[in-house]
Amino acid sequence: EAQVTQNPRYLITVTGKKLTVTCSQNMNHEYMSWYRQDPGLGLRQIYYSMNVEVTDKGDVPEGYKVSRKEKRNFPLILESPSPNQTSLYFCASSFYRNTEAFFGQGTRLTVV
Amino acid sequence: AQSVTQLDSHVSVSEGTPVLLRCNYSSSYSPSLFWYVQHPNKGLQLLLKYTSAATLVKGINGFEAEFKKSETSFHLTKPSAHMSDAAEYFCVVSATDYYGGSQGNLIFGKGTKLSVKP
Repeated sequence: EAQVTQNPRYLITVTGKKLTVTCSQNMNHEYMSWYRQDPGLGLRQIYYSMNVEVTDKGDVPEGYKVSRKEKRNFPLILESPSPNQTSLYFCASSFYRNTEAFFGQGTRLTVV
Repeated sequence: AQSVTQLDSHVSVSEGTPVLLRCNYSSSYSPSLFWYVQHPNKGLQLLLKYTSAATLVKGINGFEAEFKKSETSFHLTKPSAHMSDAAEYFCVVSATDYYGGSQGNLIFGKGTKLSVKP
């Protein structure tokens, strides 16, 4: 089954404790991206990757890192999480940057 | 620059009545347009997409949308609402340049929450 898999689905952590949210897709898509969703703000793009070893900032990249060492994986790293990063995070993949995106189930992160 | 505006943050309808979710976009050239649905505690699922073929696009679960270039609109409709349609809906635009290449990433509207009353 074609899918985008994120882990974990729920995470509560403390300020400053490094964490990684994993994302994997099995559709051989070139393009992957991370979004955060906050009430009233819709989805905002954090980072994206057009191919292996090619990543770039989206609209709200501060406080986040990503890597794309393999085509199928695109982890999101928070080196020092802060409470304002409490949000619902989605990973997405697509063939190209402007084609339909397939989304993971989301990761609800709470930073206390 | 491209942008998308969902005109209503919340729409409430009765079961069995029509649904209209409004979306206006701004794009320099021919856009690709999408509607996604997000049910509570779920990821986003593609409802339908417009990519410069037929202007009336049919999607899943009885939804359809009409691309109107003169009005820069891509409103989502359904003739008869069902309780299971209660969800949040996102209009998304992606612009292409004159040669059909990508002008940037997908741009999401802020969402319209649809409530369906029994």
